[in-house]
This record gives sequence, C-alpha cells and structure tokens, in this order.
Amino acid sequence: GQNIDQPTEMTATEGAIVQINCTYQTSGFNGLFWYQQHAGEAPTFLSYNVLDGLEEKGRFSSFLSRSKGYSYLLLKELQMKDSASYLCAVKDSNYQLIWGAGTKLIIKP
Amino acid sequence: NAGVTQTPKFRVLKTGQSMTLLCAQDMNHEYMYWYRQDPGMGLRLIHYSVGEGTTAKGEVPDGYNVSRLKKQNFLLGLESAAPSQTSVYFCASEPGIVANEQFFGPGTRLTVL
Repeated sequence: GQNIDQPTEMTATEGAIVQINCTYQTSGFNGLFWYQQHAGEAPTFLSYNVLDGLEEKGRFSSFLSRSKGYSYLLLKELQMKDSASYLCAVKDSNYQLIWGAGTKLIIKP
Repeated sequence: NAGVTQTPKFRVLKTGQSMTLLCAQDMNHEYMYWYRQDPGMGLRLIHYSVGEGTTAKGEVPDGYNVSRLKKQNFLLGLESAAPSQTSVYFCASEPGIVANEQFFGPGTRLTVL
C-alpha cells in the first residue's frame, strides 16, 4: 500500500527554527509537495521537490532524498502566524496526490 | 479572479437526504478533484476529472457521484447521505498533472445526522 508518515503535532517557540519530517512509500514518484493549512481553511501550496536536494523559498525550505523516501520542511524565524497544519503529499505513478495526515505546528511566544 | 469557489459552505443533512456540492474555477484548469478531510487522516480523493465531460473514481468513491458538464464546474452529489459522510469536502483544480500545484476551494462542512 501507499503510505505517508509525518508527526502528528510539534511545538516550537516564536523566532526559533523547526523541522517537520515526512517519510513516504508510494507506487512511483512524481514529486513531493508541502502545503500549509490554517484551522478551518483550505490547504495552500508551499513547496515542490522532484529532485534530491534543498529548495529554499524565503523563511521556508524543503529537502528531498528520493533514495531514502524522505523529505523535511524547515521553517526559520518562526512567527505566530505559522501556527497551522503542514501537509506532505506525493504524486504517485498515476500522478495522483497521496496525502499525509498532516503535522499540527503550535508556536508558543 | 475568484480562483476556486465552493457552495454551500455549511450544510446539515438527515440520513437518506440528497444534496449537490458545487465547485467552480475561473482559471481554465483542465483537472479538477473532490477530496474529503477527516480528523487524523490525510485528504482522500473521492472523484476527479481530467477535462470537460470526463470523470473518474478516486480512493473513496462509494456513495458519491460527480459530473463535469462544463469545464469550469465540478459537481459532487450525495444520493442518500449517511453519517459516515460527515466530513469537510474540498474541491481543487490544477492546470496539468506534471509539476503543478493544486488550488483549493474554501471547503464545505457537511454534517449528516
């Protein structure tokens, strides 16, 4: 079966750095996506990785290792508005997105 | 541009009732999707469409039907609602399937009593 694993919940301090991990086992791989979802709202796109390595976009970075089936999302200089769920998703061999359950990130002052 | 819109935003149904959820997008995207989101679970694909007039089953299609008569609209129907269909439903669209992000509507919160 296809599976995406990520921690259920994480807590971090405002101004700090947090790394959210995602491991996946899918039938085929056509890219890995990270989305942010604030409570009661729709998911919004954060990043996309299809090749190994680090993609940086402002305070957010995403890393991919295809051989290890592993990705992480790195959030720097945390702000209170970063309190949200972060969803990891992989496009499989049929180009369908397989979603993790999401990691709820709680930011404390 | 409104992006992806969904109606209604909230709905309460009794078991056995029927309803249709409407999704509309103004980005001329070919691909459209219906997901459900339940606590502790990832988004699960119900049905999808790769273009006007086409539909296909996703991971959890039972109890739902869809239609895509116009490119900009994707309808999700529940013929006989069950409590297990209580969920948040999201519609999404995508210009293509390679290296493209999906754009989501605001969601519909459905409760079936």
